Amino acid sequence: SAVISQKPSRDICQRGTSLTIQCQVDSQVTMMFWYRQQPGQSLTLIATANQGSEATYESGFVIDKFPISRPNLTFSTLTVSNMSPEDSSIYLCSVEGVPQGARYNEQFFGPGTRLTVL
Amino acid sequence: GQQLNQSPQSMFIQEGEDVSMNCTSSSIFNTWLWYKQDPGEGPVLLIALYKAGELTSNGRLTAQFGITRKDSFLNISASIPSDVGIYFCAGLYNFNKFYFGSGTKLNVKP
Repeated sequence: SAVISQKPSRDICQRGTSLTIQCQVDSQVTMMFWYRQQPGQSLTLIATANQGSEATYESGFVIDKFPISRPNLTFSTLTVSNMSPEDSSIYLCSVEGVPQGARYNEQFFGPGTRLTVL
Repeated sequence: GQQLNQSPQSMFIQEGEDVSMNCTSSSIFNTWLWYKQDPGEGPVLLIALYKAGELTSNGRLTAQFGITRKDSFLNISASIPSDVGIYFCAGLYNFNKFYFGSGTKLNVKP
């Protein structure tokens, strides 16, 4: 599977500020995704990060709040803007369609970024 | 969105016991994945299933893609303390998007 890293691994932020989370993959991938996992909950897809075009957002998530960049096939960022305590979650990036034997429909996750908003 | 009902929500078992958990839905899924998540980590893919009826093993783990394509189960045999964690199922709907179950929290008593 791919090696996926995220920065930062955790952060504590003040209300009203913004945080940019980075996701780096060790190989080129077509599909990258951003998920949110609220405490004790399952994973919710925020958006699909498309290389060379705008991200595709799921219902309930908007670009102004969660702007995403995907400048190349190995990197993406998610910004959580104008944060409130309700944004406290784990944010996970995932990739699909990784070479080296993985099948297209398998998703692999990064270690996550644990965000606490005060 | 599609609903995946994962059960049980949590389990407390003795080391050495077998464990079974499942995911069901009213919708048909094209792929079923099973993940394990340890505290402070991202989910790790355990098993992937692609065809109705498919039965796949990974060490002490066995998972099956239900014949109706609306369900899947995961069995863990002879549990050990390092099996502790949260297990998630994920189903690929319409070859387009993954939906995740709510998770099964497994506790193993030595």
